[in-house]
Amino acid sequence: AQSVAQPEDQVNVAEGNPLTVKCTYSVSGNPYLFWYVQYPNRGLQFLLKYITGDNLVKGSYGFEAEFNKSQTSFHLKKPSALVSDSALYFCAVRDRGSTLGRLYFGRGTQLTVWP
Amino acid sequence: GAVVSQHPSWVICKSGTSVKIECRSLDFQATTMFWYRQFPKQSLMLMATSNEGSKATYEQGVEKDKFLINHASLTLSTLTVTSAHPEDSSFYICSARSGGWEAFFGQGTRLTVV
Repeated sequence: AQSVAQPEDQVNVAEGNPLTVKCTYSVSGNPYLFWYVQYPNRGLQFLLKYITGDNLVKGSYGFEAEFNKSQTSFHLKKPSALVSDSALYFCAVRDRGSTLGRLYFGRGTQLTVWP
Repeated sequence: GAVVSQHPSWVICKSGTSVKIECRSLDFQATTMFWYRQFPKQSLMLMATSNEGSKATYEQGVEKDKFLINHASLTLSTLTVTSAHPEDSSFYICSARSGGWEAFFGQGTRLTVV
């Protein structure tokens, strides 16, 4: 069965410091992996995805994520956090065998960047 | 990127009435649409998946007769919450994909049943 774990409900970081939001996954085959961000009372905005190729994926707003197959992880990172990065972040996985493209979401991590 | 428009953003209704939420793909044809429900500070719970022109596939535990989903065209899907009750109050989000890698999300609808 497919599942996604985001072990931290909350991540706090000072502005200008690097940030990491953790994600591990479990899927039967090779996964498609995604990160989304959600601002209050809004839908999800796409940040980045890993489909194949280079394990380091660069996305929107300076975010990047590294796919680690041996550790089944896909941690989201940013070298220098901004206050405006404060939001709820979701990791998601899609089974390559899924024709409908269903996504399985982690429970979300609330990122707070302090000025 | 592709745009998915969801309306209304906010709706308040009386208990016992029905509410319709629309999800439109503005610049692409959505072969598959997904409807999610999100409780405060929780993840998205998939309610149902719909393909254009066919009946929706509901997740276990989701009442088909209460949450009516119609995907009548390649650009429009609707979720109707019938005979709404306060426990149906939640944030509902739609998502659409055209067959590519990405799923695009609407901005969500905050439903409050009083």
